[in-house]
Amino acid sequence: AQKVTQAQTEISVVEKEDVTLDCVYETRDTTYYLFWYKQPPSGELVFLIRRNSFDEQNEISGRYSWNFQKSTSSFNFTITASQVVDSAVYFCALDTGGFKTIFGAGTRLFVKA
Amino acid sequence: DTGVSQNPRHKITKRGQNVTFRCDPISEHNRLYWYRQTLGQGPEFLTYFQNEAQLEKSRLLSDRFSAERPKGSFSTLEIQRTEQGDSAMYLCASSLLEVADTQNEQFFGPGTRLTVL
Repeated sequence: AQKVTQAQTEISVVEKEDVTLDCVYETRDTTYYLFWYKQPPSGELVFLIRRNSFDEQNEISGRYSWNFQKSTSSFNFTITASQVVDSAVYFCALDTGGFKTIFGAGTRLFVKA
Repeated sequence: DTGVSQNPRHKITKRGQNVTFRCDPISEHNRLYWYRQTLGQGPEFLTYFQNEAQLEKSRLLSDRFSAERPKGSFSTLEIQRTEQGDSAMYLCASSLLEVADTQNEQFFGPGTRLTVL
C-alpha cells in the first residue's frame, strides 16, 4: 500500500525562525516520485519541488531546502528565515509512476510577524 | 492567463440534484486529473485522463460520478443525485507527459466548491 504521512498538523513560528516540515512515505515500488505543494489561503495548490527515487541529492532553492532520505523514507522540507507570506498549508505527495498521486493530510504553517 | 481554469467556482445545490463542473487544462497538457478535497485533508484522487482516455478511476468514485474528456482538451465531472456527503472542493489538475512512465508536476486549478443542502 502507498501512504504519505505528515505527522505535524499545525506549526506556528515567529518570522525569521527556521521551520522543518516532515514527510514520511510508504511504497514497495522502487521507482517513484515525491512532491511538495503549497496551498496558500487563496486556495490554489502550487508546485514546489519534484524528486525521483533515484536522485537522493538534497536541493536548495532560495530559502527552501529539501532533504530526501530513502533509508528512512522521508522527504522533509525546511524553510529558512520564515516570512509571513510562507503561511499556508503544505502537502507532500507520492506518485509511483502510475496515474494516482497520493497526498498527505498537509501541515498548516502559521508565521507570525 | 494560461493556467488551469474551473467553472463554476462555487455551486450550491439541493440534495438529489445533478451538477456538472468544467475544467480547462493548460492547452498543451495531455494529462488531466480530478481530485476531491475536504476541510483539513489533502486532495483525494478521483480520476485521470491521458488525452481523451480515462485510464484510472478511484474506488471513491461511485456510480453517481462520471467524468469525460471528449476531445482530449476540457473535461467535465458530473455528479448525479447529489448527497450531502458530496460537499467538498473539487480540484482539477493537468500535467504534461513527456517521457513514458514518468510523472511531472501537476498544475492545479482554483477548484469548484460544492455545497449540497
